[in-house]
Amino acid sequence: DADVTQTPRNRITKTGKRIMLECSQTKGHDRMYWYRQDPGLGLRLIYYSFDVKDINKGEISDGYSVSRQAQAKFSLSLESAIPNQTALYFCATSDRTGGFYGYTFGSGTRLTVV
Amino acid sequence: AQKITQTQPGMFVQEKEAVTLDCTYDTSDPSYGLFWYKQPSSGEMIFLIYQGSYDQQNATEGRYSLNFQKARKSANLVISASQLGDSAMYFCAMREVNFGNEKLTFGTGTRLTIIP
Repeated sequence: DADVTQTPRNRITKTGKRIMLECSQTKGHDRMYWYRQDPGLGLRLIYYSFDVKDINKGEISDGYSVSRQAQAKFSLSLESAIPNQTALYFCATSDRTGGFYGYTFGSGTRLTVV
Repeated sequence: AQKITQTQPGMFVQEKEAVTLDCTYDTSDPSYGLFWYKQPSSGEMIFLIYQGSYDQQNATEGRYSLNFQKARKSANLVISASQLGDSAMYFCAMREVNFGNEKLTFGTGTRLTIIP
């Protein structure tokens, strides 16, 4: 099994629908992140969490919410999806190993809003 | 101002040649870290190499090395003896910590194509 698992891998949804992207990890890391990737823009941070009780907004949090259900689970919700939220979404975890904070990324969720 | 700048949207390199992917960064923090990731067409993000701001030596990992020039704020990735499997998007990223808040900021990426 992958260290960081994202579900679903691909999703097509309609404008206005609520959708949840899920992330679970077996790394035992406290820190978890949601990123969005758009062509030509690299990855941008949506939300991050340093532990179950700590949730922080990233640079593009509008239109998104998150839930940290447990140390191993971090979900991203789009309350009312819109077409410009069509993107590749990555979940990541981090921890200090080998003298620096390394990041482990999930395989990504490709979301299309029509 | 961009935190991470990758000025090469795309590059074509002959197989077995060395290639340098450029990355410049902007930060006022004395402590930061620089990462390079590879993203093949399948989409996953693969960690390649890391350089800490206080590291005295340039980082190396197999065929990957990081040419770290702190005064110039550049952290170029060098891939020696390129292979067809090196064709992918490459992202430079910087980790900063401000008032306990950690952030990993990415550049816009360089698409590398290795020509047989």
